[in-house]
Amino acid sequence: DTEVTQTPKHLVMGMTNKKSLKCEQHMGHRAMYWYKQKAKKPPELMFVYSYEKLSINESVPSRFSPECPNSSLLNLHLHALQPEDSALYLCASAAMFGNTIYFGEGSWLTVV
Amino acid sequence: DQQVKQNSPSLSVQEGRISILNCDYTNSMFDYFLWYKKYPAEGPTFLISISSIKDKNEDGRFTVFLNKSAKHLSLHIVPSQPGDSAVYFCAASRTLYNNAGNMLTFGGGTRLMVKP
Repeated sequence: DTEVTQTPKHLVMGMTNKKSLKCEQHMGHRAMYWYKQKAKKPPELMFVYSYEKLSINESVPSRFSPECPNSSLLNLHLHALQPEDSALYLCASAAMFGNTIYFGEGSWLTVV
Repeated sequence: DQQVKQNSPSLSVQEGRISILNCDYTNSMFDYFLWYKKYPAEGPTFLISISSIKDKNEDGRFTVFLNKSAKHLSLHIVPSQPGDSAVYFCAASRTLYNNAGNMLTFGGGTRLMVKP
């Protein structure tokens, strides 16, 4: 089972709203990721968590706030987003000493 | 600076023939390479990978070749099927230090269209 589950699949939010994207995996992976993908572009790395600690932040604006409550869950808290933040947000996970990163189906975010 | 490049944005192939998707990279620190397939509105699906210690890996209809000296890899699909039509992303990985996991750098993608 190589499943990464993301909710919600679609989210529309206003620029003053606070919302969260959720991600779950039960593969025992200790590395978890958030990527952002715009249309016709490759996924871009946002954050990396290893052993539930933030290890990489790719200079992401503070209106995106990641959280890793435990080894199976990864959240992305959203606040005061801009319309240009509309994109597909992908969660992924990998075994710590493995090289294959598995992606979820993504959450489509539209900021209005 | 684009470290992983897929120079062909699209490729059209007849059903039953071979599809060859190419990828070039510049960073010699990359030690693992992956191909992902992506349908619209879905996340990337892992297809096949290759370690930098190998030059070929095969899985069914999919074969990945790695030429480290040329910093080039390719994905061969034989025979191509209409269901293979999707965007294919090449990705390169390097092992981070301090148990920080691995990081993927993606190419720009190649849209493959397999015609019946």
